Amino acid sequence: AQSVAQPEDQVNVAEGNPLTVKCTYSVSGNPYLFWYVQYPNRGLQFLLKYITGDNLVKGSYGFEAEFNKSQTSFHLKKPSALVSDSALYFCAVKNSGYALNFGKGTSLLVTP
Amino acid sequence: DVKVTQSSRYLVKRTGEKVFLECVQDMDHENMFWYRQDPGLGLRLIYFSYDVKMKEKGDIPEGYSVSREKKERFSLILESASTNQTSMYLCASSGTPTQYFGPGTRLTVL
Repeated sequence: AQSVAQPEDQVNVAEGNPLTVKCTYSVSGNPYLFWYVQYPNRGLQFLLKYITGDNLVKGSYGFEAEFNKSQTSFHLKKPSALVSDSALYFCAVKNSGYALNFGKGTSLLVTP
Repeated sequence: DVKVTQSSRYLVKRTGEKVFLECVQDMDHENMFWYRQDPGLGLRLIYFSYDVKMKEKGDIPEGYSVSREKKERFSLILESASTNQTSMYLCASSGTPTQYFGPGTRLTVL
């Protein structure tokens, strides 16, 4: 079965510092990987995806993610964090059917 | 932009009531999904549909049913609501691997 794991429940970072939210995957075959963000009491917003091609994927709001096949990782990154980036972040992988399997989420807190 | 709307943002129901959650998308997507979100558990797939009148069970279908009579609309039905169905319910649609989500319905069952 296709699955992802987010090893950190919470990540704290100071505004202006780089941020990383970690995700590792376990799949058979080539993975389709996604990052979503959820602001309080809202639905999930799509940030970026990796299907094939360049290992560095750029997405919305200045976020990017690096696909690393040897480490089976797909970490989300941003060079300079903003307080408004504070939210819940989900990594997901497409399963063998139509749906996505999500990680448990990582809460990002950016402090001024 | 893809727009996915859900009929209610907040809903309070009593145990044993029949509950309907509705989801509408405006992008002519074939696939639609219902997830529930609980703290520490992430999103879990309840049901999905890949075409009108077609449905497939997800990981946690017990206590739920769905209906898709029109391509743009996907309904989640709680036949007899129970307190353990108190949760955030998220609808999504997709025509490609990328799923687009509605704002969610926070359901409380008393």
